[in-house]
Amino acid sequence: AQSVAQPEDQVNVAEGNPLTVKCTYSVSGNPYLFWYVQYPNRGLQFLLKYITGDNLVKGSYGFEAEFNKSQTSFHLKKPSALVSDSALYFCAVRDRDGNNRLAFGKGNQVVVIP
Amino acid sequence: DGGITQSPKYLFRKEGQNVTLSCEQNLNHDAMYWYRQDPGQGLRLIYYSQIVNDFQKGDIAEGYSVSREKKESFPLTVTSAQKNPTAFYLCASTFLGTQPQHFGDGTRLSIL
Repeated sequence: AQSVAQPEDQVNVAEGNPLTVKCTYSVSGNPYLFWYVQYPNRGLQFLLKYITGDNLVKGSYGFEAEFNKSQTSFHLKKPSALVSDSALYFCAVRDRDGNNRLAFGKGNQVVVIP
Repeated sequence: DGGITQSPKYLFRKEGQNVTLSCEQNLNHDAMYWYRQDPGQGLRLIYYSQIVNDFQKGDIAEGYSVSREKKESFPLTVTSAQKNPTAFYLCASTFLGTQPQHFGDGTRLSIL
């Protein structure tokens, strides 16, 4: 069964500093990987995905993520954090067997300090 | 504008009562999903449907039921058998394949 681990409950970062949110996954075969962001009392918004090809994926709002197959990781990064990036971030994985089910991590709360 | 509409935004359930959460999408997506979100637990899959008139149980289907009579609609019923229904419920949809899921803005269900 596919699963995701997001090891940190909360990530604190000063505004303007680099932001990293960690994600490791477990799946049989090659994965499809996704990052989403959630603001309070809202649904999840899609940020970026890795399907195949270049290991560095660029997404919305200046976010990017690097797929590392040997470490089974897909960490989310942003070079310079904004206060408006404060939100809950979810990593998700699915395998390629066609059932279209996603497994989500428990989420990381990001707090950007002005 | 295309999107997913969940209603109501807030819902209260009495003991022994069934309640139904609505999810409608106008994105022409094939697949639809229901998730439950509890603090610190991420999203857990309740039910999903990849085609009209067919659906599959997710990881926490007990105490819930769904129907998929139309492509654009996937209502979720929280039955009285669900003893701890207080949670934030999210509906999502997508095209089959590698596309990301799109989410509605959720329904928050509480017990009276």
